[in-house]
Amino acid sequence: KNEVEQSPQNLTAQEGEFITINCSYSVGISALHWLQQHPGGGIVSLFMLSSGKKKHGRLIATINIQEKHSSLHITASHPRDSAVYICAVLPSNFGNEKLTFGTGTRLTIIP
Amino acid sequence: GAGVSQSPRYKVAKRGQDVALRCDPISGHVSLFWYQQALGQGPEFLTYFQNEAQLDKSGLPSDRFFAERPEGSVSTLKIQRTQQEDSAVYLCASSFKRDWSSYEQYFGPGTRLTVT
Repeated sequence: KNEVEQSPQNLTAQEGEFITINCSYSVGISALHWLQQHPGGGIVSLFMLSSGKKKHGRLIATINIQEKHSSLHITASHPRDSAVYICAVLPSNFGNEKLTFGTGTRLTIIP
Repeated sequence: GAGVSQSPRYKVAKRGQDVALRCDPISGHVSLFWYQQALGQGPEFLTYFQNEAQLDKSGLPSDRFFAERPEGSVSTLKIQRTQQEDSAVYLCASSFKRDWSSYEQYFGPGTRLTVT
């Protein structure tokens, strides 16, 4: 079983829909990243969070440390949001900076 | 300012060739990471440097893989005698501070390696 699980693996939605991508993890963490990867492109960090909720434009990320679960929401989705969204966790043992990644959620927004 | 850069962006190698992949981290970033991403998968950790010291190389898949960062800035990932299973995107990331509150990693565009 992977330490970081994402769902769904693939998601297709109409422009304007509210999108939710989920991430569950099985280890203690210091922080969790949500990353965006466009085809052929590098990875862009969207959020790093360790508690509560963060918002940036149409993107909202939440985390529940007790339940070991995080969600990424996109409001008023747009075709340019089409990308792979990856959840990655930073384990809580001090000095360990290496991220453990989920396999990603491929999001396609249809105009 | 400039982000993390990697070169080449694309590399095609014949099986058995040696390759060298370069990463230029953000200036002043202490930590540097290499990840391998197979097609359709999430990235997986290869190795990690703090300045010039390689603190963790537990993810390197075999002794054909070697990484260095001799002056604590630019890093090179070398793969000797490439095999088809080495085909992947190799991602480099860097981060600034070594306290847990600043562990945000900045990623480069990756090098797509295809071994034929």
